[in-house]
Amino acid sequence: KNQVEQSPQSLIILEGKNCTLQCNYTVSPFSNLRWYKQDTGRGPVSLTIMTFSENTKSNGRYTATLDADTKQSSLHITASQLSDSASYICVVSALNDYKLSFGAGTTVTVRA
Amino acid sequence: GAGVSQSPRYKVAKRGQDVALRCDPISGHVSLFWYQQALGQGPEFLTYFQNEAQLDKSGLPSDRFFAERPEGSVSTLKIQRTQQEDSAVYLCASSLEVVAKNIQYFGAGTRLSVL
Repeated sequence: KNQVEQSPQSLIILEGKNCTLQCNYTVSPFSNLRWYKQDTGRGPVSLTIMTFSENTKSNGRYTATLDADTKQSSLHITASQLSDSASYICVVSALNDYKLSFGAGTTVTVRA
Repeated sequence: GAGVSQSPRYKVAKRGQDVALRCDPISGHVSLFWYQQALGQGPEFLTYFQNEAQLDKSGLPSDRFFAERPEGSVSTLKIQRTQQEDSAVYLCASSLEVVAKNIQYFGAGTRLSVL
């Protein structure tokens, strides 16, 4: 069973609107959680990284939250742009482990 | 270079053919990872190098898969006698140090199609 589950699998939003992506994980002991953006045909690019003590982190119009108690994270995209169309992957790493656990990603399509 | 470079970007192979995929990590990065990404899925770990040492190859799906990083820089992932189920995007990532918090920087990947 995958240790990182993401929802929804995909979503379509209109340009300028906001959206929120969800990530639940069971990885333990927890070290950090990252959100990556993967454009079609490209490798994933890191957006944010949060450790146990961090509840929120922003990168421009992207804001990630983390609740380490419930093992949930969200990625909020504000005022979406066409260039936000991509797959967003939640990635969790365990303490003292170089391996990363990847979610299957949420495919976001922004339409004009 | 400024980022992780992978070549070729696309590879079409006939079933049974051997292929070699190349990864040029960011200069000075100690750790190098190979991942396999199926369509619509997140990357799956294949193998990990710390400098030239292959410390973990537990994700390699079969003995047809072989990876090397002889001088601790460029790495090659070789797949022998390719099968249709090997069709995927192969991603390479590097990070500056071994510590788990280090961000992994990904290449654009090699899309392998086995006919």
